[in-house]
Amino acid sequence: ETGVTQSPTHLIKTRGQQVTLRCSSQSGHNTVSWYQQALGQGPQFIFQYYREEENGRGNFPPRFSGLQFPNYSSELNVNALELDDSALYLCASSLVVRTEQFFGPGTRLTVL
Amino acid sequence: KNEVEQSPQNLTAQEGEFITINCSYSVGISALHWLQQHPGGGIVSLFMLSSGKKKHGRLIATINIQEKHSSLHITASHPRDSAVYICAVTSSAGANNLFFGTGTRLTVIP
Repeated sequence: ETGVTQSPTHLIKTRGQQVTLRCSSQSGHNTVSWYQQALGQGPQFIFQYYREEENGRGNFPPRFSGLQFPNYSSELNVNALELDDSALYLCASSLVVRTEQFFGPGTRLTVL
Repeated sequence: KNEVEQSPQNLTAQEGEFITINCSYSVGISALHWLQQHPGGGIVSLFMLSSGKKKHGRLIATINIQEKHSSLHITASHPRDSAVYICAVTSSAGANNLFFGTGTRLTVIP
């Protein structure tokens, strides 16, 4: 059974650019959640997707958007990058909503 | 104010010591999670519980729903237990997301 994978592992962008992060959920999982973790902080919820529909959103601006595909993999897109977007972005998948979440290794984004 | 508070923020222990990390939360929850995060970022789920107590190897997690409090215990600590331990809760209302504490950084010295 393959766990949750994320790509890329690391990414460096400049302010104003756009970025797409990818997540492959664990086999059989239909729910994917995205989190942002700034250095020294706990993760913050960005949004969750359940069967290709957004199923909840945290306090992030609209320039953070996402998609979930029919195979339940997911993308996080961030437009107009700001310096404060530098963080570890974590994706987690679960069998269904409100069950145990399994985390990927994260993508470390640096915005210069 | 954060929905989830952990203590202590940092903890240093000698190998073999019994360790307790505490978590208090202020929202109604459907479940509480204990997570382990190693340097480099990967997060591993240790426990998901909604009542009582769970045990896995040297790790024990307890929750008191009435007091909105949970503890993570590590018996016979080992240097490989050194990591950040994060408490998170799934709210019983609203979006189905996790609210996270800021973590407890544990260092176990040989």
